[in-house]
Amino acid sequence: KQEVTQIPAALSVPEGENLVLNCSFTDSAIYNLQWFRQDPGKGLTSLLLIQSSQREQTSGRLNASLDKSSGRSTLYIAASQPGDSATYLCASQSTTDSWGKLQFGAGTQVVVTP
Amino acid sequence: NAGVTQTPKFQVLKTGQSMTLQCAQDMNHNSMYWYRQDPGMGLRLIYYSASEGTTDKGEVPNGYNVSRLNKREFSLRLESAAPSQTSVYFCASLVRGPTEAFFGQGTRLTVV
Repeated sequence: KQEVTQIPAALSVPEGENLVLNCSFTDSAIYNLQWFRQDPGKGLTSLLLIQSSQREQTSGRLNASLDKSSGRSTLYIAASQPGDSATYLCASQSTTDSWGKLQFGAGTQVVVTP
Repeated sequence: NAGVTQTPKFQVLKTGQSMTLQCAQDMNHNSMYWYRQDPGMGLRLIYYSASEGTTDKGEVPNGYNVSRLNKREFSLRLESAAPSQTSVYFCASLVRGPTEAFFGQGTRLTVV
């Protein structure tokens, strides 16, 4: 069974610093990996999706990398802002499952201080 | 474009009461899912519907039932609520198979 882990569970950085968020998974047979943002009391917003054939995906200040062989994905947020404060979750979809079920990590709660 | 809409947003139930959580998507997606989110545990899959007319159990289905009413709507029913079902419930949808998933805003349920 796929296990997805996000360490640390919480992170606090000063404004302007680059954020590095980690996601590790035990089974490399993934179809893709998706990063989400969750604001307090809100739903999940999709940030980036990386296909297994890709090494990275970029959107504005966000860059996500994927290394299947080592079972790791990293989300980089450049020049962090207080508005980046949220919980970030990663989730994988497996090649052995045709139904698109997601396996989630528990998330990293990020606070960006002014 | 509303995306995935869940109702209600908040609900308090007494132990033993029943209720139905509603979910609708307007993206013409084939697959729909119900997840629950508990502190420190991430999201866990309760039930899913790969396509209209089909439903299947996920990781934590006990105490729940679902109905795929049509292609747009997927409901989750708690027949006899228990305090262990206090959680935040999310509905999600995607086109088909392993593709990008879209989530609703969640239903925050408390069972007392």
